[in-house]
Amino acid sequence: QVQLQESGPGLVKPSETLSLTCTVSGGSISGYYWGWIRQPPGKGLEWIGYIYYSGSTNYNPSLKSRVTLSVDTSKNHFSLRLSSVTAADTAMYYCARQPAYCNNDCYPSVKFDSWGQGALVTVSS
Amino acid sequence: QSALTQPPSASGSPGQSVTISCTGTSSDIGGYNYVSWYQHLPGKAPKLIIYEVHKRPSGVPNRFSGSKSGNTASLTVSGLQAEDEGDYSCLSYAGSNNLVFGGGTKLTVL
Repeated sequence: QVQLQESGPGLVKPSETLSLTCTVSGGSISGYYWGWIRQPPGKGLEWIGYIYYSGSTNYNPSLKSRVTLSVDTSKNHFSLRLSSVTAADTAMYYCARQPAYCNNDCYPSVKFDSWGQGALVTVSS
Repeated sequence: QSALTQPPSASGSPGQSVTISCTGTSSDIGGYNYVSWYQHLPGKAPKLIIYEVHKRPSGVPNRFSGSKSGNTASLTVSGLQAEDEGDYSCLSYAGSNNLVFGGGTKLTVL
């Protein structure tokens, strides 16, 4: 059974860059899309973006200018960078797996079928 | 894209059924049959319980069912059990490879 684990600093200063890594164990990162989702305290889930194992990405339009996702298949992990953070970026950050639908091309399914436990990131000076 | 609208809370007694709605627009829920639902129990990672409106992943009890009518998707939990208490969120495709979540509903088993 695949397992995902988020890691990274729990405290980031305003205007700096938030960096998190999601390590995948019990399965290969290849063949799947991988997503990031966050949940600010007391609020609902927000989709951040996803990355295919090949490196293609898609981001939430509201965060697109500040988000970069990357993948390292040799280390079986993928990463999130969110720049110019403010207090509004304080949240629990989750990574999750998105199966791909492939025909002549591959597309991400609209389902996150495995999730990490989450990493709480606080933005504060 | 705006978040999908869910009621903040829902409740029911053990054995009863409860339905949670998730309302969007013709650009998301109404335009595609790509709605999934997630159960988020305290201290645990979110869990996929419904995908593509009404399909259940292996291992999810058939007490959980999904449907859609127009711009509104619904999750019904039948035969409520104490362990069903937690947060439930919907997710929809919103076109142009974008996704949008609902605001979440806290389900209380009375």
